[in-house]
Amino acid sequence: AQSVTQLGSHVSVSEGALVLLRCNYSSSVPPYLFWYVQYPNQGLQLLLKYTTGATLVKGINGFEAEFKKSETSFHLTKPSAHMSDAAEYFCAVSGNYGQNFVFGPGTRLSVLP
Amino acid sequence: GAVVSQHPSRVICKSGTSVKIECRSLDFQATTMFWYRQFPKQSLMLMATSNEGSKATYEQGVEKDKFLINHASLTLSTLTVTSAHPEDSSFYICSAMDRDTMNTEAFFGQGTRLTVV
Repeated sequence: AQSVTQLGSHVSVSEGALVLLRCNYSSSVPPYLFWYVQYPNQGLQLLLKYTTGATLVKGINGFEAEFKKSETSFHLTKPSAHMSDAAEYFCAVSGNYGQNFVFGPGTRLSVLP
Repeated sequence: GAVVSQHPSRVICKSGTSVKIECRSLDFQATTMFWYRQFPKQSLMLMATSNEGSKATYEQGVEKDKFLINHASLTLSTLTVTSAHPEDSSFYICSAMDRDTMNTEAFFGQGTRLTVV
């Protein structure tokens, strides 16, 4: 079985500050890990994913995440927050071939001027 | 990138009627599509997995007779909410796996806001 936890249901940062959204997972098989962003009343957009290879993954909009197997973590970061980054962010884990695709509870990011 | 189109984006229906939601993969073939339900300020809950040409697999607690899923082609899956009631009001999202990318990524539709009055 797989599960995802996201520490902090709501994170607020100032514009220009570092963004750090935490994600920890559990998986009985080598995981595929994802971060998605959701704007109000919209579907999900993929920010980045880790499948195999390099553990530091760069995504769109300046986001990146690092897979740390020893810590079972996949935290999302961005050096400098922008107002347009305000949204809901979901971490997700799956096994091979999309099996057991599980989402975390989500973290709402607010960016203060 | 791969695009998944979900229609309608919003629908209001009367209690007791049925509503059909379509999920289409526009530029790829999807052997597997997923249907999720999202309550306000909550995460996505998987309702069912739809495989082309076979019956859908429903998650525990999801009524298969109420939420009818059809995946008749490699580019279209439909979710029909039958005899809808106000408690069925929710945000429904579909996703599709691109079989040509070895299913490592799910592409999401824009979601359907269902309101049952």
